[in-house]
Amino acid sequence: AQSVTQPDIHITVSEGASLELRCNYSYGATPYLFWYVQSPGQGLQLLLKYFSGDTLVQGIKGFEAEFKRSQSSFNLRKPSVHWSDAAEYFCAVAPSGGYNKLIFGAGTRLAVHP
Amino acid sequence: DGGITQSPKYLFRKEGQNVTLSCEQNLNHDAMYWYRQDPGQGLRLIYYSQIVNDFQKGDIAEGYSVSREKKESFPLTVTSAQKNPTAFYLCASSIEGAGGYTFGSGTRLTVV
Repeated sequence: AQSVTQPDIHITVSEGASLELRCNYSYGATPYLFWYVQSPGQGLQLLLKYFSGDTLVQGIKGFEAEFKRSQSSFNLRKPSVHWSDAAEYFCAVAPSGGYNKLIFGAGTRLAVHP
Repeated sequence: DGGITQSPKYLFRKEGQNVTLSCEQNLNHDAMYWYRQDPGQGLRLIYYSQIVNDFQKGDIAEGYSVSREKKESFPLTVTSAQKNPTAFYLCASSIEGAGGYTFGSGTRLTVV
């Protein structure tokens, strides 16, 4: 069965530090991969997605993610974190094609210290 | 601007009551989804619909019901059979092949 694992439940970083959020997936073929961000009490906003091609994907708000097939990973990175990046981050996977029914990881809550 | 509207934002239900959560989209998306979010459990799929008058159960459909009479609307009813309905409910929509969802801002349901 398809699954998504986000190993880190909580991460705390200092403002200006670099960030990497981990995501591993289990799927038979190369799926579509996504990162979403959620502020408290709000819906989810798409940060970036990977379908095919260049394995380094650029997203909004200065985020990027790298797809590594050999490691079944799709880690999210940001070189310098801002206090406004404090939120919960979800990795998701969907089979390619069709309506892309998403399967989400449990999320990583990011706290940013001034 | 196009988007998804969920209402109400907060909903309180007495035990034994059915309640209906509204989800409307003006994005002309074919597919719509309902997810339940609990702390530490991510999002779990309740129901989804890829076309009007058709819908499928997700992973946790028991105690919930939906309808899809119009492309724009996908209401979710939380029935009295749902034993633990207190949660944050998110509606989303998508188009085929585009990848990714557009989410509404959610409804927080609390049983009192």
